Amino acid sequence: AQTVTQSQPEMSVQEAETVTLSCTYDTSESDYYLFWYKQPPSRQMILVIRQEAYKQQNATENRFSVNFQKAAKSFSLKISDSQLGDAAMYFCAWTGNNRKLIWGLGTSLAVNP
Amino acid sequence: DAGVIQSPRHEVTEMGQEVTLRCKPISGHNSLFWYRQTMMRGLELLIYFNNNVPIDDSGMPEDRFSAKMPNASFSTLKIQPSEPRDSAVYFCASNGPGDFWNTEAFFGQGTRLTVV
Repeated sequence: AQTVTQSQPEMSVQEAETVTLSCTYDTSESDYYLFWYKQPPSRQMILVIRQEAYKQQNATENRFSVNFQKAAKSFSLKISDSQLGDAAMYFCAWTGNNRKLIWGLGTSLAVNP
Repeated sequence: DAGVIQSPRHEVTEMGQEVTLRCKPISGHNSLFWYRQTMMRGLELLIYFNNNVPIDDSGMPEDRFSAKMPNASFSTLKIQPSEPRDSAVYFCASNGPGDFWNTEAFFGQGTRLTVV
């Protein structure tokens, strides 16, 4: 079965500190994409970062980076220098050839001032 | 482009009534997805269209739910009759054609449906 697991329903971090959100997935496909989406209280789903499975180099987007371990099927998100605006639900998702996004249940991130 | 546009943003209806949610995907995108988000189940894919054709409706919960995409710029999700357990946020998302680089899905702001 194709699944995405986010084992941390809630996380918190102090402002300016670093936090890592975990995600594991299961698929038998060899080519696929992985995503982290952010959902703030406004409900808008916003793409944070994405990773192509065939690339060994970890994706980075400013303060956001991933640790992609293909063999372990792990795709964690690291947020550096956390800001109050980073507080949101974070969803890990996976897609293969059929374009269907398979989602985790999300991690609620609180940023403490 | 204005992004994916959903209407209404909020809908409150009585049990048994028909509800129609609307979506305008991003121009040029040829895949459209309807999702339902609840606290208990998270994000569930209800149905997915490619080039206006329903490809996978296995996530549609039951016959009370139906979705159409009459053209590339418009889709509807209809619930008839509605039930309180249908209360959720319904998202529409679209993405474009081409290679894997176009697999990013752009989401609308969702419709919060409350059935009382």
